[in-house]
Amino acid sequence: NAGVTQTPKFQVLKTGQSMTLQCAQDMNHEYMSWYRQDPGMGLRLIHYSVGAGITDQGEVPNGYNVSRSTTEDFPLRLLSAAPSQTSVYFCASSYSGFHNSPLHFGNGTRLTVT
Amino acid sequence: KNEVEQSPQNLTAQEGEFITINCSYSVGISALHWLQQHPGGGIVSLFMLSSGKKKHGRLIATINIQEKHSSLHITASHPRDSAVYICAVRSSGNSGGSNYKLTFGKGTLLTVNP
Repeated sequence: NAGVTQTPKFQVLKTGQSMTLQCAQDMNHEYMSWYRQDPGMGLRLIHYSVGAGITDQGEVPNGYNVSRSTTEDFPLRLLSAAPSQTSVYFCASSYSGFHNSPLHFGNGTRLTVT
Repeated sequence: KNEVEQSPQNLTAQEGEFITINCSYSVGISALHWLQQHPGGGIVSLFMLSSGKKKHGRLIATINIQEKHSSLHITASHPRDSAVYICAVRSSGNSGGSNYKLTFGKGTLLTVNP
């Protein structure tokens, strides 16, 4: 099992550029989510999905899109990058029986927008 | 005010010391997670609990639902325990969507010196 795989590990964008952060898991987890981590703040939920074809917004969804066409993949799209989106992004997954299922995190993507 | 408060923010200890990190929350919850993040590294789930106490090796997590408080203890601390420890709660809100959202504390930076 590879667990949760995030790519790329590092990315530098110019303001206005778009890109997709990839997230894949091979544990057949129904629940997948994207978080951003900023200095002095806790992890904040961007978007999440409880199964293929189902997505919903989290705490800070503006400027980001997601889709869930398969159970395995949950890409995060930045439509028009802004300096405020400079952050470290984590993808996480778990079984949807959330009460008894720990979260599995990817290794993170460090994004810098100039 | 953040729904999840951790204390202390920073903690420095000598190898071998007993460590306690605290987490207080203000909402009704269905589960609480303790996570570990090494500098520049990914995030690992340590514990998930909804009542009582769990133990894994030198780590012990307890939760008091009535007092809305959890503690993470590390016995016989070691320099490799140096990391950020993060508390996260899943609320027991009525909305189906909110059941999948975690609220994170800002983390406690633990440094264990040899």
